[in-house]
Amino acid sequence: ILNVEQSPQSLHVQEGDSTNFTCSFPSSNFYALHWYRWETAKSPEALFVMTLNGDEKKKGQISATLNTKEGYSYLYIKGSQPEDSATYLCAPAYSGAGSYQLTFGKGTKLSVIP
Amino acid sequence: GAGVSQSPRYKVTKRGQDVALRCDPISGHVSLYWYRQALGQGPEFLTYFNYEAQQDKSGLPNDRFSAERPEGSISTLTIQRTEQRDSAMYRCASSLGGGLAGVSDTQYFGPGTRLTVL
Repeated sequence: ILNVEQSPQSLHVQEGDSTNFTCSFPSSNFYALHWYRWETAKSPEALFVMTLNGDEKKKGQISATLNTKEGYSYLYIKGSQPEDSATYLCAPAYSGAGSYQLTFGKGTKLSVIP
Repeated sequence: GAGVSQSPRYKVTKRGQDVALRCDPISGHVSLYWYRQALGQGPEFLTYFNYEAQQDKSGLPNDRFSAERPEGSISTLTIQRTEQRDSAMYRCASSLGGGLAGVSDTQYFGPGTRLTVL
C-alpha cells in the first residue's frame, strides 16, 4: 500500500493571501503525479499532470512543482480567492507490471475567508 | 464536447440485490478507470480498462465486484449481493492514451453514482 501524504490536512486563509501545500510520495518507480481540485458534490477537476523532476506547471494563479528524487510536490496558490475554496488532491502513479492506478492522498482542504 | 457521463446518478437498493452502474467515457478515450470514493476521502482505484481489455483489477475489493467494457467504450461496474459497506460514490474516469500513456494523461472524472445500500 502506497503512502501518499498531504499536508496540512486543512487550512484557512484570508482572501488575498498566498498559500502552499505539500504532497509526499514514494519516489521509487515514480511515473507521474496528478493534482486535482475537488469541491464536495462535484467531480474532481484536473489541474496538472507532471512527470519530470523539476517540472513546474501553472494555471492562472495556481502553480505546482515536482521533485521526483525526493518524492514531493508543492502546490501554490497566489492571492487566494473564495472560489479557490476546495479540497486539493494529489495522486502519484508508478511504472511497473500491470500498474495503471493513481493512488490519491487524503487531500488538503482549503477555506478562503472573504 | 460531452464529458464523462454516468448513470444512474443515485441508486438506493436493498442489501442482497445486484446493481449495475454505467459509465460512458469521452469519445475516443482509450483508458477507462473505476474508482470508489468514501465521504470526504479521495478516490480509491478499483479497476482499469485499455479499450476492452481489463488490464488491472487489483482494486476490486472482492469477487462480488466485476466490470466490463465489451466494445471498448461504455463500461458497466456490477456489484452482486450488495452489502451496506458497499455504500459510496462510484466514479469513473477516462483518459486519451492507453497503458502508461493513459496514466500520464489527464483523467476526466464523471459525476459519479451515489450508491446507498439499505
